[in-house]
Amino acid sequence: DTAVSQTPKYLVTQMGNDKSIKCEQNLGHDTMYWYKQDSKKFLKIMFSYNNKELIINETVPNRFSPKSPDKAHLNLHINSLELGDSAVYFCASSDSDRRGAFFGQGTRLTVV
Amino acid sequence: EDQVTQSPEALRLQEGESSSLNCSYTVSGLRGLFWYRQDPGKGPEFLFTLYSAGEEKEKERLKATLTKKESFLHITAPKPEDSATYLCAVQAAGSNYQLIWGAGTKLIIKP
Repeated sequence: DTAVSQTPKYLVTQMGNDKSIKCEQNLGHDTMYWYKQDSKKFLKIMFSYNNKELIINETVPNRFSPKSPDKAHLNLHINSLELGDSAVYFCASSDSDRRGAFFGQGTRLTVV
Repeated sequence: EDQVTQSPEALRLQEGESSSLNCSYTVSGLRGLFWYRQDPGKGPEFLFTLYSAGEEKEKERLKATLTKKESFLHITAPKPEDSATYLCAVQAAGSNYQLIWGAGTKLIIKP
């Protein structure tokens, strides 16, 4: 049983396209996150979301938008993809801001 | 500006050779410091949370310690399966609980 699962694992697409990455957690956690890991391996928070509040990292372009149909899902929509969006995107969840988060396996996005 | 710096960038050890990884941080009020392990092609795996200076946590061959300026991850008698990238992250007071991550230390344990 995968705790945090995201699909697809690999995504290759052309510039200008719109794409989505799906994330589901079966841990019953209240908070979910999207992270971007660049080529230098730095992890940067993009969004954190629970059933009360969406917190957006102000550096994230508005082409990126999270969509949460329910507590167990947080999908990431990306419009008008650019070359610089190429990276690994991780979904994560936690039940407390003072405990560690559980991460998905990542989605490697390549924009060509 | 809140910042996390990990050193060294990479560390190669022989099996059984103990060593330490460093995570230095500057934040305006520390809520917590987190250690994660990341294997190639996978997401980070949570190891420890430390909240206050002097605190220590242990798990198998790993021991994490915390001071007011840095944290160490001590690895005792490592095995090849301990090879991974170890990531440190801090949570600052008033940060909306966001984590600030270091770039990681890539640890390679040779048999």
